[in-house]
Amino acid sequence: SQQGEEDPQALSIQEGENATMNCSYKTSINNLQWYRQNSGRGLVHLILIRSNEREKHSGRLRVTLDTSKKSSSLLITASRAADTASYFCATDGDGGFKTIFGAGTRLFVKA
Amino acid sequence: EPEVTQTPSHQVTQMGQEVILRCVPISNHLYFYWYRQILGQKVEFLVSFYNNEISEKSEIFDDQFSVERPDGSNFTLKIRSTKLEDSAMYFCASRAVWELFFGEGSRLTVL
Repeated sequence: SQQGEEDPQALSIQEGENATMNCSYKTSINNLQWYRQNSGRGLVHLILIRSNEREKHSGRLRVTLDTSKKSSSLLITASRAADTASYFCATDGDGGFKTIFGAGTRLFVKA
Repeated sequence: EPEVTQTPSHQVTQMGQEVILRCVPISNHLYFYWYRQILGQKVEFLVSFYNNEISEKSEIFDDQFSVERPDGSNFTLKIRSTKLEDSAMYFCASRAVWELFFGEGSRLTVL
């Protein structure tokens, strides 16, 4: 399957620390996206990185992509309690009609 | 800000009954999706819809499922004969380019 798979499955850190989540996928991609989900809510798009990009920033978010290793990482700097959520990577695969999500990383930021 | 809306927010049904979940995607979006998330688990792709037809479907999307865009605004998921294992959150999403916009989900409980 083409799914992204994140690690770690769960991460607990103190407010102010950085949080790093990793994602691996199996097929070729056009882009890779990261989404956030607060408990029981819909997913919210965070950032998209194209297959020809290696790094992208958005506010406190930094995403890297290594297509040779079929992996990506999401770094949240200076985390806040409000960052507590599940984070998912998503890949589009070929054709672009089938955005597939990984299993997610549950991040808990302690105040 | 435009948003994807889903109804009902929660539906309880008896096994074997038919259920219709409704979604109103963002008005200028052309690609529509249904996903399923069993409690605490991954977000599973069910089906994508473009140009009034299914563009991709997963192995989960078997003959008991169907989708329809009955008018210019609604996008529905029908489950013909519900099973206990259909209990989950069902998310609708739409997109214009790559970023998916999700609704808040419909929680289906099958008794």
